[in-house]
Amino acid sequence: TAGITQAPTSQILAAGRSMTLRCTQDMRHNAMYWYRQDLGLGLRLIHYSNTAGTTGKGEVPDGYSVSRANTDDFPLTLASAVPSQTSVYFCASSPGTMNEQFFGPGTRLTVL
Amino acid sequence: GQNIDQPTEMTATEGAIVQINCTYQTSGFNGLFWYQQHAGEAPTFLSYNVLDGLEEKGRFSSFLSRSKGYSYLLLKELQMKDSASYLCAVRDGDYKLSFGAGTTVTVRA
Repeated sequence: TAGITQAPTSQILAAGRSMTLRCTQDMRHNAMYWYRQDLGLGLRLIHYSNTAGTTGKGEVPDGYSVSRANTDDFPLTLASAVPSQTSVYFCASSPGTMNEQFFGPGTRLTVL
Repeated sequence: GQNIDQPTEMTATEGAIVQINCTYQTSGFNGLFWYQQHAGEAPTFLSYNVLDGLEEKGRFSSFLSRSKGYSYLLLKELQMKDSASYLCAVRDGDYKLSFGAGTTVTVRA
């Protein structure tokens, strides 16, 4: 079972360029999440989706957008990357909002 | 916003016991989670507390006091593979998780 996958594993991006980070889960989980993890700050929620067709803003949503067209996929888009978006990005999913979250392997993004 | 505090680093000897404390102030409370994260890897779920008291799962135990806004994770019979970061996370009134910055535990032989 694949669980939850993310692509790419790592990426170097020029400032001002756009990029979509992909996240796919095969567990039929209703809820999905995007976090960024920075040294000394821990995981911070960017956007979330409690069920297909709905999304919500987390703690640090500025500069990011998401969509949830179906249950399995939850892409995160940076419309115009800035160096402060350099981070490790984790996608997570859970059966519902009351359950523990399962994390993908992460995408390491560097914006220069 | 949420405020979740845990120590930055702890060091212990193989076979020993280590207790990682976590204090929190959040808007509403719907449970506290502990995750383990090895360097360069994804966090993995360890334990969940929603009621006061101790939850035991093998070598790991987690305690919660809601009135004090306090939890701890107890790691017993430490092994080298337990060297990792341990993340305290609180589910708030909107059912979203807020994470502490993590505690890096180093186990020495």
